[in-house]
Amino acid sequence: GAGVSQSPRYKVAKRGQDVALRCDPISGHVSLFWYQQALGQGPEFLTYFQNEAQLDKSGLPSDRFFAERPEGSVSTLKIQRTQQEDSAVYLCASSSFGVGGQGPGDTEAFFGQGTRLTVV
Amino acid sequence: AQSVTQLDSQVPVFEEAPVELRCNYSSSVSVYLFWYVQYPNQGLQLLLKYLSGSTLVESINGFEAEFNKSQTSFHLRKPSVHISDTAEYFCAVNTGGFKTIFGAGTRLFVKA
Repeated sequence: GAGVSQSPRYKVAKRGQDVALRCDPISGHVSLFWYQQALGQGPEFLTYFQNEAQLDKSGLPSDRFFAERPEGSVSTLKIQRTQQEDSAVYLCASSSFGVGGQGPGDTEAFFGQGTRLTVV
Repeated sequence: AQSVTQLDSQVPVFEEAPVELRCNYSSSVSVYLFWYVQYPNQGLQLLLKYLSGSTLVESINGFEAEFNKSQTSFHLRKPSVHISDTAEYFCAVNTGGFKTIFGAGTRLFVKA
C-alpha cells in the first residue's frame, strides 16, 4: 500500500486478556519500529526490526510484550495478560534504512495512524 | 542518555501571527534532530530535519528550525500561521542508532 497500515485502529481489552496488534509497513522498507504513546506524552521506543531480525527490544516494558516480523514485512506486537497501564496508542513506523547506506538515525520514518488500546 | 524537552504543552495563536515552538535536548554526542507533525486523526509526519551542514532547515510549508549547539536547542518557527497548521508538533533526537527520543509534544492551536 501507499503508507503504513495498522489494525485494528481501536481495541478494547479486558484486563488479563491477550491482544495482537498488526503493522503493514511500506513495501520494501527494511526497518520497522514500534512505539508506545501514552496520553499526553510523546512516542516512546519499544523495539526495532531490520528485515526479520529484531535488533533492539530494549524498550519493551515487560516480558508480557512480544514482537515479531517473521518474513521481514508484516509485524505483530503481542501483549499478554493486559494491564490498565498498557492503555496507550501503539505506533508502527517503517523506513528505508538499508538502502543507499543510510543509517537508521537519519532516515525518515513513516508512521501509521496507530492502534488505540484501552484496557478496562 | 538523550532527552528532549518541549517547554510548552499548548500554544494558542491567532491566524497570520508568528509562532515559535521551543525544543531543547540533552546529549553527550552528536545528534540528528527532527520535528514531526501530527494532524487530527492522522499519523506522525516528518516536518523537517537537521542532519549536518547548515544549521537552518526549512520545510515546504513555511516552517523553519535552527540548530543551536551551544544552547542545545532546535526551536521551530513560522512567521505567519494558518488555521491548517493546527496540530501537535513533536521534537525528536537521534544519535545514529535505532532509538529516536521524542518530546512530549506541543499542541498548536491557530485561532481565526
